[in-house]
Amino acid sequence: SQKIEQNSEALNIQEGKTATLTCNYTNYSPAYLQWYRQDPGRGPVFLLLIRENEKEKRKERLKVTFDTTLKQSLFHITASQPADSATYLCALASNTGGFKTIFGAGTRLFVKA
Amino acid sequence: DAGVTQSPTHLIKTRGQQVTLRCSPKSGHDTVSWYQQALGQGPQFIFQYYEEEERQRGNFPDRFSGHQFPNYSSELNVNALLLGDSALYLCASSLDPGVNYGYTFGSGTRLTVV
Repeated sequence: SQKIEQNSEALNIQEGKTATLTCNYTNYSPAYLQWYRQDPGRGPVFLLLIRENEKEKRKERLKVTFDTTLKQSLFHITASQPADSATYLCALASNTGGFKTIFGAGTRLFVKA
Repeated sequence: DAGVTQSPTHLIKTRGQQVTLRCSPKSGHDTVSWYQQALGQGPQFIFQYYEEEERQRGNFPDRFSGHQFPNYSSELNVNALLLGDSALYLCASSLDPGVNYGYTFGSGTRLTVV
């Protein structure tokens, strides 16, 4: 069955460092991969989308890579700040029948001042 | 410009009862997807509505049903509630098919079944 794996353990880093989060998937051929941020008790907020034919996408301090051979995406936050502390969700969508989007369980990030 | 609005924000129901959750999509969006999120888990896809029809469905029983209205708003109905249905229910809207700009989520409805 389709599976998305994100680090279940929380990631603790110091302010100013680069946070790197991993998303691995199996039994899936996504056309699109998305990253979302979710704060406690709130809905996810869309951050970045990368297509299967793109290797890397950047937006301000965020960078996403997408390796369809390794079936992996890396999500980087450079110059991290305490305000970046949240859960980050990886989501995949195929291009069959309506682009159903499925989510990983997320990785909790804590940035210490 | 209002984003996605969900109501109610919190709800407590008894096992066996029925519940209806409501969602108004972001202005300009025509597609609504519903997700169930248990504590500590990622959102699980329930179903997606487009042009008032259920276009895709996840692995949820028939107790879960929905509807989309001509103004694109949507309802999620759950019958014969079980304790395991307790979760945060999220509504996400998009401009079909929603893969260029991602989904816009509401803050969810927290359903507790006792």
